[in-house]
Amino acid sequence: AQSVTQLDSHVSVSEGTPVLLRCNYSSSYSPSLFWYVQHPNKGLQLLLKYTSAATLVKGINGFEAEFKKSETSFHLTKPSAHMSDAAEYFCVVSGSGTYKYIFGTGTRLKVLA
Amino acid sequence: DTAVSQTPKYLVTQMGNDKSIKCEQNLGHDTMYWYKQDSKKFLKIMFSYNNKELIINETVPNRFSPKSPDKAHLNLHINSLELGDSAVYFCASSQLAGGGTDTQYFGPGTRLTVL
Repeated sequence: AQSVTQLDSHVSVSEGTPVLLRCNYSSSYSPSLFWYVQHPNKGLQLLLKYTSAATLVKGINGFEAEFKKSETSFHLTKPSAHMSDAAEYFCVVSGSGTYKYIFGTGTRLKVLA
Repeated sequence: DTAVSQTPKYLVTQMGNDKSIKCEQNLGHDTMYWYKQDSKKFLKIMFSYNNKELIINETVPNRFSPKSPDKAHLNLHINSLELGDSAVYFCASSQLAGGGTDTQYFGPGTRLTVL
């Protein structure tokens, strides 16, 4: 069975400060992990994904995430937040041989001016 | 060009009505999905089709019926709409069959409001 837990439902940061959105996963298989972003009233956009290649994954808009098997974590980071980063972020786990994405409950990122 | 498109974007209807949401992808993908996002933003898969064949059918009321006329289209028909059906419905597609590692591309969503 697979599951994903996003540890914070809301995160607030000031513009220009680092962003950390936390995600822990559970998977019986070697997992694939994704981060998606949803801006208000928009669809979901892929930020980055991990598929057992490099453990540090770089994505769009300056985001990156590190896969840590020992900690079963896949936290999303960005060195400097921008106002346009304000959105809902979803961590997703999937596994080889399955069609399913399992979504986390989302983290709402607020960026303060 | 929109990769995954859905129509309509907004749908407001009365309880008991029947409605359909259409989805089209122009990415040449083999697999398409329907997700429901509830008021708390939680996303859950409902159905998935691979080359017009149903491969995922989650615990969804049988008032919901997906139809895939070809691999570029996946429609969702909902009978006897209930208040609890109010949600945002997302269509998605991916290239591989059975590839959990594959990226899914999402449409813009259809916000269904049942009055």
